[in-house]
Amino acid sequence: NAGVTQTPKFQVLKTGQSMTLQCAQDMNHEYMSWYRQDPGMGLRLIHYSVGAGITDQGEVPNGYNVSRSTTEDFPLRLLSAAPSQTSVYFCASSYSRGVLSTGELFFGEGSRLTVL
Amino acid sequence: DAKTTQPNSMESNEEEPVHLPCNHSTISGTDYIHWYRQLPSQGPEYVIHGLTSNVNNRMASLAIAEDRKSSTLILHRATLRDAAVYYCILLYSGGGADGLTFGKGTHLIIQP
Repeated sequence: NAGVTQTPKFQVLKTGQSMTLQCAQDMNHEYMSWYRQDPGMGLRLIHYSVGAGITDQGEVPNGYNVSRSTTEDFPLRLLSAAPSQTSVYFCASSYSRGVLSTGELFFGEGSRLTVL
Repeated sequence: DAKTTQPNSMESNEEEPVHLPCNHSTISGTDYIHWYRQLPSQGPEYVIHGLTSNVNNRMASLAIAEDRKSSTLILHRATLRDAAVYYCILLYSGGGADGLTFGKGTHLIIQP
């Protein structure tokens, strides 16, 4: 009963390095999304996907890329890390975008990223 | 988008009921009221949601004002494990939302 799995849990990067945060879900959910959470703040939407091959931008997409080649996986790529991207990142999934208002969004445990 | 207002923090004693308020005076008739909570060092988890009528589940109850301009999340018997940040979120019932819009929520402190 894995749910939403994120890796790695912790990562330290130097400015300018690139990396990929992995997210996988085993619930056959169409909708997947990435959020970031800065200290003392609520979560903000980075990117989301309503199905394989379809992605779109959220509130704070700059500096991040996503792709959705399979239903299960939704990786988040940082192309050139900056200190402002130091944050905790959460992946979330739901059966579909259409049931966000009547259903439940399932979150992973988070990936804590520090950019020096 | 309709906005929600919650107290920054609340404190309660273990084994007592907790009433967490949320004001949403600009709510539209088609917005669902959702509650999520985030335990320390974890991702948010769904608690409950409703549209007009009061709702109960195994975790909590949701009381919605008759004019829908406010709602209250009720934890009937708080435990230490209920210490978390609680978020009140509105979602348009017609679907199509990009995602959830989180405010700062209410930090609930439970005293033993």
